[in-house]
Amino acid sequence: AQSVTQLDSQVPVFEEAPVELRCNYSSSVSVYLFWYVQYPNQGLQLLLKYLSGSTLVESINGFEAEFNKSQTSFHLRKPSVHISDTAEYFCAVTPSNTGGFKTIFGAGTRLFVKA
Amino acid sequence: DGGITQSPKYLFRKEGQNVTLSCEQNLNHDAMYWYRQDPGQGLRLIYYSQIVNDFQKGDIAEGYSVSREKKESFPLTVTSAQKNPTAFYLCASTHPRTGGSGELFFGEGSRLTVL
Repeated sequence: AQSVTQLDSQVPVFEEAPVELRCNYSSSVSVYLFWYVQYPNQGLQLLLKYLSGSTLVESINGFEAEFNKSQTSFHLRKPSVHISDTAEYFCAVTPSNTGGFKTIFGAGTRLFVKA
Repeated sequence: DGGITQSPKYLFRKEGQNVTLSCEQNLNHDAMYWYRQDPGQGLRLIYYSQIVNDFQKGDIAEGYSVSREKKESFPLTVTSAQKNPTAFYLCASTHPRTGGSGELFFGEGSRLTVL
């Protein structure tokens, strides 16, 4: 069975510091990988995705994630965070043999950026 | 603007009552989903629908029911049989071109509290 593990439930960090949110997955088939962001009492928004090709993917607001097949990881990084990055971040995985209908989510990592 | 509209945003109900959460989309997406979010547990799939008049159970369908009479609408009923209904409910859809990857578009969510 597939699973997604986000290794940190909460990550406090000072403004302008770098941050890494860790995500590992388990799957017997190839997968598509996603990071979503959720602000309080709102829905989730797609932050970035890996479908194929270059293993390093970037978002428009400075986040990046790297797909590491051998380590089955898809960690999210940002070199310098802002107060506005405070949110909950979800890693998600869709097995390639499910037609897109069985996306699995991690438990989430709450990023708290301090001034 | 195109998007997914969920209503109501907040809902309170007494034990033993059924309640229906509305989800409407004007994105012309075929597939729609309902997820349940609980603190520290990520998102869990309740039901999904690929096309009108068809829907499939997800991982936690017990105590819930859905209908898909129109492409734009996918209401969720939380029945009295659901033992722990207090949660944040998210409706989502997938674009026909990217849906195979599992990339999801989310509504703003409905928070249900059972008193």
